[in-house]
Amino acid sequence: DAKTTQPPSMDCAEGRAANLPCNHSTISGNEYVYWYRQIHSQGPQYIIHGLKNNETNEMASLIITEDRKSSTLILPHATLRDTAVYYCIVMSKAAGNKLTFGGGTRVLVKP
Amino acid sequence: GAGVSQSPRYKVTKRGQDVALRCDPISGHVSLYWYRQALGQGPEFLTYFNYEAQQDKSGLPNDRFSAERPEGSISTLTIQRTEQRDSAMYRCASSLDGGGYTFGSGTRLTVV
Repeated sequence: DAKTTQPPSMDCAEGRAANLPCNHSTISGNEYVYWYRQIHSQGPQYIIHGLKNNETNEMASLIITEDRKSSTLILPHATLRDTAVYYCIVMSKAAGNKLTFGGGTRVLVKP
Repeated sequence: GAGVSQSPRYKVTKRGQDVALRCDPISGHVSLYWYRQALGQGPEFLTYFNYEAQQDKSGLPNDRFSAERPEGSISTLTIQRTEQRDSAMYRCASSLDGGGYTFGSGTRLTVV
């Protein structure tokens, strides 16, 4: 699976949009971009995924660049409960749907 | 059930003992995954199943670790002759079609 690069940490103001970047320059054509988050000691929580089109759901939006080498997860109105570690993962369904977690970005939402 | 259920939530065992960790996935979910997570680290893949078939066990650290899912539903991760370095949170996840995973609350294993 392609490797991803994320900033180790970032702060965000409550009520503002949080934009979380992820680089995946070696992504191949059949690999999806997945985002998960882990709040404190809970299990990771699925947020969103996409292949090449931008995606939006009730939790977030995913913007994938045209060359697919990077993506941005957008939390439109961050709340204190969004404080978590956010993982960007590239996964090939053909290779067994195995998620490989990297270091993630530790997001702290401040009041 | 409504979610992925793992038991026990906490397990303290003496070094050298065997432990069995149980995972009850969401009903109907085809794929089941086991991960291990050390404090402050991201989850580390151990193994996964599609139905009852173990598809990939490349993440199992050594031959003391094994997993089974005999009827394609409940899975058991067994660690034989536990060592202190096995102490971690063990997490199970299931997936309907290999897409978004749903994780359980995990089993916190402490080997003393």
